[in-house]
Amino acid sequence: AQTVTQSQPEMSVQEAETVTLSCTYDTSESDYYLFWYKQPPSRQMILVIRQEAYKQQNATENRFSVNFQKAAKSFSLKISDSQLGDAAMYFCAYRSEEVGRDDKIIFGKGTRLHILP
Amino acid sequence: GAVVSQHPSRVICKSGTSVKIECRSLDFQATTMFWYRQFPKKSLMLMATSNEGSKATYEQGVEKDKFLINHASLTLSTLTVTSAHPEDSSFYICSARADRASSYNSPLHFGNGTRLTVT
Repeated sequence: AQTVTQSQPEMSVQEAETVTLSCTYDTSESDYYLFWYKQPPSRQMILVIRQEAYKQQNATENRFSVNFQKAAKSFSLKISDSQLGDAAMYFCAYRSEEVGRDDKIIFGKGTRLHILP
Repeated sequence: GAVVSQHPSRVICKSGTSVKIECRSLDFQATTMFWYRQFPKKSLMLMATSNEGSKATYEQGVEKDKFLINHASLTLSTLTVTSAHPEDSSFYICSARADRASSYNSPLHFGNGTRLTVT
């Protein structure tokens, strides 16, 4: 079974600084997606960034980028120029893309990010 | 972008009663919907996968007779918490995905969640 591990329950970063959230996963599959979701106090789940496993190039979305290391099964999220609005719970997630497999998303336990003004 | 509407956002019910939560995909057809439960300050726990026109697939440890899921159309799935008890109080979130074959790159779209309080 696939698992997603986020080893940092909480992190803090000064506003305008850069922070990296860690995520590792375990799978025997070769075809899958990885995601980072943000859950602010409103509890709405917001997709931050996604990465297809077959792509070697790291995904980027404005201030958000990932460091995808497929062999190491690592998928960290870097937030540059942190803003107060980035304060939220961040979930790393995995979804199989293997033919015939469930496409349910498996979430890590989350990292609560605090932005210090 | 795709929108998933979840209703109600908050509900308080008495112990022993049943509560229905609706999840609608507003601008796409969702062949698959997922129901999650989230405890305070915890991650999302998948309860069940709902496919249109067929029985839901429940995760291990989730009582299918207590959490009834119906996915009667391509835009609507419902979760009914039957004979609710205080321990069922939680935050429930649905999510939906368009047809897998036609939307290879389709992410999961989430509803805003329902906070259930059973008194």
